[in-house]
Amino acid sequence: QVQLVESGGGLVKPGGSLRLSCAASGFTFSDYYMSWIRQAPGKGLEWISYISTSGSTIYYADSVKGRFAISRDNAKNSLYLQMNSLRADDTAVYYCATDRVGTTWVYWGQGTLVTVSS
Amino acid sequence: DIVLTQSPATLSLSPGERATLSCRASQSISNYLAWYQQKPGQAPRLLIHDASNRATGIPARFSGSGSGTDFTLTISSLEPEDFAVYYCQQRGNWPPLTFGGGTKLEIK
Repeated sequence: QVQLVESGGGLVKPGGSLRLSCAASGFTFSDYYMSWIRQAPGKGLEWISYISTSGSTIYYADSVKGRFAISRDNAKNSLYLQMNSLRADDTAVYYCATDRVGTTWVYWGQGTLVTVSS
Repeated sequence: DIVLTQSPATLSLSPGERATLSCRASQSISNYLAWYQQKPGQAPRLLIHDASNRATGIPARFSGSGSGTDFTLTISSLEPEDFAVYYCQQRGNWPPLTFGGGTKLEIK
């Protein structure tokens, strides 16, 4: 069955960096568009980044543009999110999610918590 | 950016009752709207895609309707497990892909 497992979250100081990973299994990863979506504590959902199957097309939300970088390694069935210049308002649970369409999401990971605090 | 406004923010109903949740887009998104259900501590679950198509395995009591700017999620007869937060999400004009603020469906 389809499984997405995020890792790499934790506590980081403002201005710091963190790299999230999402390990995919149970489907042909290279055929699926991937996104990162986050949810601040007690708040709603926010899409933050999208990457096409080959990695040639990438989009970001304005809130993270220039600070975050999405990438994928189809040989390793893995998705990544490099987060730099982290701020307190980046504190959230970060989900990787996917679907063949790429712009709605049937499959979600369990999420990884990123806390930005001094 | 497309802004999605969900109403009401909170809906208090009893099991067996009918629930009607609304999502309004700031401009036309055709039928490119999805609905998700989220329970505490869990990832969202896709219920409806393209306004009215139930995702695989979603019970028939969930239905979606609408096009353009006004959309509705209806739960015909509430089961205890349906009490959760519901989000709409658009892909009609992106990036960015955007979500509504959510409707909390609580037990009366």
